[in-house]
Amino acid sequence: TQLLEQSPQFLSIQEGENLTVYCNSSSVFSSLQWYRQEPGEGPVLLVTVVTGGEVKKLKRLTFQFGDARKDSSLHITAAQPGDTGLYLCAGAPSSNTGKLIFGQGTTLQVKP
Amino acid sequence: EPEVTQTPSHQVTQMGQEVILRCVPISNHLYFYWYRQILGQKVEFLVSFYNNEISEKSEIFDDQFSVERPDGSNFTLKIRSTKLEDSAMYFCASSGRDRGHTIYFGEGSWLTVV
Repeated sequence: TQLLEQSPQFLSIQEGENLTVYCNSSSVFSSLQWYRQEPGEGPVLLVTVVTGGEVKKLKRLTFQFGDARKDSSLHITAAQPGDTGLYLCAGAPSSNTGKLIFGQGTTLQVKP
Repeated sequence: EPEVTQTPSHQVTQMGQEVILRCVPISNHLYFYWYRQILGQKVEFLVSFYNNEISEKSEIFDDQFSVERPDGSNFTLKIRSTKLEDSAMYFCASSGRDRGHTIYFGEGSWLTVV
């Protein structure tokens, strides 16, 4: 069974600080997606990374897919209170299926 | 921006009753999915559907569950005889031709079985 482990599970920081969330597995994924989920709502797609070593930037968010396609990271620069929320990584074991394996999520709190 | 829409947003049902959750995927998408999230737990894959048939299903998706695309726009999940442990948020999702790469989720249907 493929697993994705996210760390840390909880993170509380001050506005303006930088942070990194990690998503690790012993298995290879054909792609990896990062989502943000608000309470009672569906996951909202932030980014998809497909190629090993790929780096994508979305304003203050930087996403990286590991060279071996087994891990990924999300780095937020100068966090703001609006970044508060649950961040999920989800990996696709195969390019032939839409099955995603989700991590348990990282709850981020950014205090003003 | 196109989005996946789901109804109802919340349903309370008695144990043993049948429930149908409905979804309208993004219009030009070809692959459709149901996921669920029990309160406080991970999002879990239930089933994927392509070309009018199930392409993959998880162990959770037993004989009590079925999916259907009755027309060109709707995609439904039926639970025949609900159990207490079926209480969860059910998410419909869809993807285009590059499935497995970019999957878009609906807002979810919160099912409470009492």
